[in-house]
Amino acid sequence: DQQVKQNSPSLSVQEGRISILNCDYTNSMFDYFLWYKKYPAEGPTFLISISSIKDKNEDGRFTVFLNKSAKHLSLHIVPSQPGDSAVYFCAAGASNFGNEKLTFGTGTRLTIIP
Amino acid sequence: DAGVTQSPTHLIKTRGQHVTLRCSPISGHKSVSWYQQVLGQGPQFIFQYYEKEERGRGNFPDRFSARQFPNYSSELNVNALLLGDSALYLCASSFRGGGNQPQHFGDGTRLSIL
Repeated sequence: DQQVKQNSPSLSVQEGRISILNCDYTNSMFDYFLWYKKYPAEGPTFLISISSIKDKNEDGRFTVFLNKSAKHLSLHIVPSQPGDSAVYFCAAGASNFGNEKLTFGTGTRLTIIP
Repeated sequence: DAGVTQSPTHLIKTRGQHVTLRCSPISGHKSVSWYQQVLGQGPQFIFQYYEKEERGRGNFPDRFSARQFPNYSSELNVNALLLGDSALYLCASSFRGGGNQPQHFGDGTRLSIL
């Protein structure tokens, strides 16, 4: 039972254009969401998060959008740069679980084409 | 400041053996969580410890155990190793341990079972 889904295993985008990564979830108890980036042989690096009380959060080139009614979130990267090539994981947590368990998607491999 | 550090970086064991993985959180962080990541999947939650007490446990058998020490470092122990335990084991730390905040990951321990 996959509660967090990233349906696109891979995505290629031209340098300078917008990258859009998508994530869907099924558990209504999730109330905060995070995006992580992972390079080979390194641990996941936190990028940006959003609480369910908001529908948008921005940090520099990264913006996360949350659509609670559709149980969908997306990460926009603009402009895309070669260093953005990595695997991106969407993760979700629930503040009333009483713990910090994060449920991750399977990841999307983003390749930025110079 | 040092990030989350994990040791060892790589480990090879045979079936039936026991293994201990170690994690030091970011200075000032009191919560440590452990995740298992198998190839092609996102990290899966194993345990969370906060102030030396177990806060959460994922869907893993009793062969998996963990503890947290007074200095907030943590150990993950796995007994009676199976081939399926081959994975990247990730440790993450956070300050408050109560969710709705980023967890910061180490680079992991790559465990191979022969």
